[in-house]
Amino acid sequence: GAGVSQSPSNKVTEKGKDVELRCDPISGHTALYWYRQSLGQGLEFLIYFQGNSAPDKSGLPSDRFSAERTGGSVSTLTIQRTQQEDSAVYLCASSLERTSGRKTDTQYFGPGTRLTVL
Amino acid sequence: SQQGEEDPQALSIQEGENATMNCSYKTSINNLQWYRQNSGRGLVHLILIRSNEREKHSGRLRVTLDTSKKSSSLLITASRAADTASYFCATDGMGRDDKIIFGKGTRLHILP
Repeated sequence: GAGVSQSPSNKVTEKGKDVELRCDPISGHTALYWYRQSLGQGLEFLIYFQGNSAPDKSGLPSDRFSAERTGGSVSTLTIQRTQQEDSAVYLCASSLERTSGRKTDTQYFGPGTRLTVL
Repeated sequence: SQQGEEDPQALSIQEGENATMNCSYKTSINNLQWYRQNSGRGLVHLILIRSNEREKHSGRLRVTLDTSKKSSSLLITASRAADTASYFCATDGMGRDDKIIFGKGTRLHILP
């Protein structure tokens, strides 16, 4: 596709259930980022992938959150045992690459997944 | 705490006027970017300015960077209703694995 896509666009779940959020980056983009945005707030960094590896997981708020990326493309963010405070818009972005000494850091964002935990 | 802090938090101006938003940050950066967000969903990249640049233009946008003051400004000239959105600055640190940090944004409202 032409841009970053995310699915589902909206997800309503009950407290305690697990959810999976999917991100399809732009083809050829090796760097992939997950962010969380609560209502009226800025973006909170969650995790960053370079290829299939995640050099920076420091933003994951708890061990209930995990993410993986396979084949250097699609990424899945999983939230286990969801809590009401997990309600937010989860945004995914990709960029062409991110290498030491030369950073191409323009990120292209997907439309986000709005997660509501009841 | 946030690396990038925009101010003001909210700004309302008349259509046709210029809008200026500021961003301050704390640590040395490799570059700084401005993004726009409509309706609380995906962000759109506007402009990137590198640490060795002082000013950059793109259409009606003008971005300045003062690394000595650790601040940047985004100027939108001749504002239009379609410019109504939230604007975020994002800073990228010097380290290879430094995360890109977004501020909380400035909500800009263009009045007809």
